[in-house]
Amino acid sequence: QVQLVQSGAEVKKPGASVKVSCKASGYTFTSYDINWVRQATGQGLEWMGWMNPNSGNTGYAQKFQGRVTMTRNTSISTAYMELSSLRSEDTAVYYCARNSGWDHFDYWGQGTLVTVSS
Amino acid sequence: DIQMTQSPSSLSASVGDRVTITCRASQSISSYLNWYQQKPGKAPKLLIYAASSLQSGVPSRFSGSGSGTDFTLTISSLQPEDFATYYCQQSYSTPQTFGQGTRLEIK
Repeated sequence: QVQLVQSGAEVKKPGASVKVSCKASGYTFTSYDINWVRQATGQGLEWMGWMNPNSGNTGYAQKFQGRVTMTRNTSISTAYMELSSLRSEDTAVYYCARNSGWDHFDYWGQGTLVTVSS
Repeated sequence: DIQMTQSPSSLSASVGDRVTITCRASQSISSYLNWYQQKPGKAPKLLIYAASSLQSGVPSRFSGSGSGTDFTLTISSLQPEDFATYYCQQSYSTPQTFGQGTRLEIK
């Protein structure tokens, strides 16, 4: 069965960086784009960007351009999202999600809480 | 960016009720509209894609309709497990954007 398993919760200081991992199983990792979506506590969903695990091509929301980097390690079927220059407003649950290939997200990771606090 | 506006923001209903949630896009998005259900502390779950296609494994009491700018999600007969927050999402253009959510509560 398809699964996306994310890394554990992180606490970071303002100005630091965080790298969240998303390990895929149950399907061919390189065949489906991975997207990242975040959700601040009590708030809605915010799309951050996508990555093609086969080519490594990426596309980021303008809001995060220059601060976010999405990468992958195909040998271990794992995608990564790194966010730098963290500020308190970046405190949120970060989700990875698989794009089905038809522009919708059919499988999601369990979420990773990133807390930014001095 | 395309703005997605859901209404209502919250809704109280009873088991067995028929419920409709609407989602309006700030410009035409054809049928590039998806619906997700999210329960507290859980990841979103895909219900409907391409405006009206039911995701595999999702009960048939969920249905979606619409195209262009106006869309609806209908739950024909509410079940206890349906009380959750629902989000629409446009995948017509990047950045993909979500509605603000509709919280469905038990009356």
